[in-house]
Amino acid sequence: DVKVTQSSRYLVKRTGEKVFLECVQDMDHENMFWYRQDPGLGLRLIYFSYDVKMKEKGDIPEGYSVSREKKERFSLILESASTNQTSMYLCASSLRGLLAKNIQYFGAGTRLSVL
Amino acid sequence: DQQVKQNSPSLSVQEGRISILNCDYTNSMFDYFLWYKKYPAEGPTFLISISSIKDKNEDGRFTVFLNKSAKHLSLHIVPSQPGDSAVYFCGIGNEKLTFGTGTRLTIIP
Repeated sequence: DVKVTQSSRYLVKRTGEKVFLECVQDMDHENMFWYRQDPGLGLRLIYFSYDVKMKEKGDIPEGYSVSREKKERFSLILESASTNQTSMYLCASSLRGLLAKNIQYFGAGTRLSVL
Repeated sequence: DQQVKQNSPSLSVQEGRISILNCDYTNSMFDYFLWYKKYPAEGPTFLISISSIKDKNEDGRFTVFLNKSAKHLSLHIVPSQPGDSAVYFCGIGNEKLTFGTGTRLTIIP
């Protein structure tokens, strides 16, 4: 079974703090993703990484950065947290190539509240 | 640029009847179309997918239909069960997926 583990289920931070969200997958997947889920807006892609040290902006990258130093780990960084970044953050991973059928496997999510 | 729309934010269905969830998209240049199911406080889980070269794929109670000319994807669940109550997202793309806004399905016992 694929396992995608997000380090925290719930997190409360103050405005202006630097926040790190960590994600680890155990299936040697090349691709990793960070999304946020907000009511009425669905899942929106923040950043995507297709290999170690490689990253690509998603639809809403502003205010975020990412780091992928090892294949199994993908970190999302909020440089200076703001209240509009209060959300559910979801990490996912997938294999590359057509045989993978684009199936992404998700972690349980981190609910971040910025006060 | 891909736009994916799930026009029904919510749907209520009697237990045992058919649930039909719909998804419309704008860009056809993708290989796979997927459905995910999400319970509260959990991550989405993959449910079923369909390749762009097919128009139907079945897996037990779940069937996905793809109408490429109409750019329309649908998920049929029959018979619906209380455990099917969840939010359903359609996702379309290649390495990256664009997701719809989700439909909250409630199965009424």
